[in-house]
Amino acid sequence: DAGVTQSPTHLIKTRGQQVTLRCSPKSGHDTVSWYQQALGQGPQFIFQYYEEEERQRGNFPDRFSGHQFPNYSSELNVNALLLGDSALYLCASSLQWYSTDTQYFGPGTRLTVL
Amino acid sequence: DAKTTQPPSMDCAEGRAANLPCNHSTISGNEYVYWYRQIHSQGPQYIIHGLKNNETNEMASLIITEDRKSSTLILPHATLRDTAVYYCIVRVEEYSSASKIIFGSGTRLSIRP
Repeated sequence: DAGVTQSPTHLIKTRGQQVTLRCSPKSGHDTVSWYQQALGQGPQFIFQYYEEEERQRGNFPDRFSGHQFPNYSSELNVNALLLGDSALYLCASSLQWYSTDTQYFGPGTRLTVL
Repeated sequence: DAKTTQPPSMDCAEGRAANLPCNHSTISGNEYVYWYRQIHSQGPQYIIHGLKNNETNEMASLIITEDRKSSTLILPHATLRDTAVYYCIVRVEEYSSASKIIFGSGTRLSIRP
């Protein structure tokens, strides 16, 4: 049973560029959440996708957008990259309406903006 | 979601029990206490959660005080592989497990040989 997978593992971009990160949820899960983790801090919630729609959003600018596909996989897009966007980006999957389940995290994508 | 307070760091000898405290004095009646840990450069890993009763699984035990204002995560026999940042989180469960998780700064636990 595959867990949450993310690609790529590492990514280096320059300021102003755009980046797309990918996530495949744990088998059987239908909801994907994205988190940003700056060095030395706890993860911060970006947004969540369910049924191909953004359902919840944290305090992140519109430069951060996402998408969910019919197979439940998801992409996180960041436009006009800033140095401060350098972070570990984590994807977590869960079941939307199963209250006793929890969120399972992938290994993350390390983004470095130069 | 209620705010939690954890010590920034702790250490424990290998083979001993590691007891990680968490204060959540503003917790509401429908909020659960969750614990996650994050080993260096990996994604957070779910450990355990509870509402008001003490809970135990293969990884740890969770002790919640009667007034629910604080809790303790217990790793019964700590190993070097338990070195990680441990996050105590309070979440409203309602009928969906998909609600966002609000992480604090956590406790950095170091296990010494």
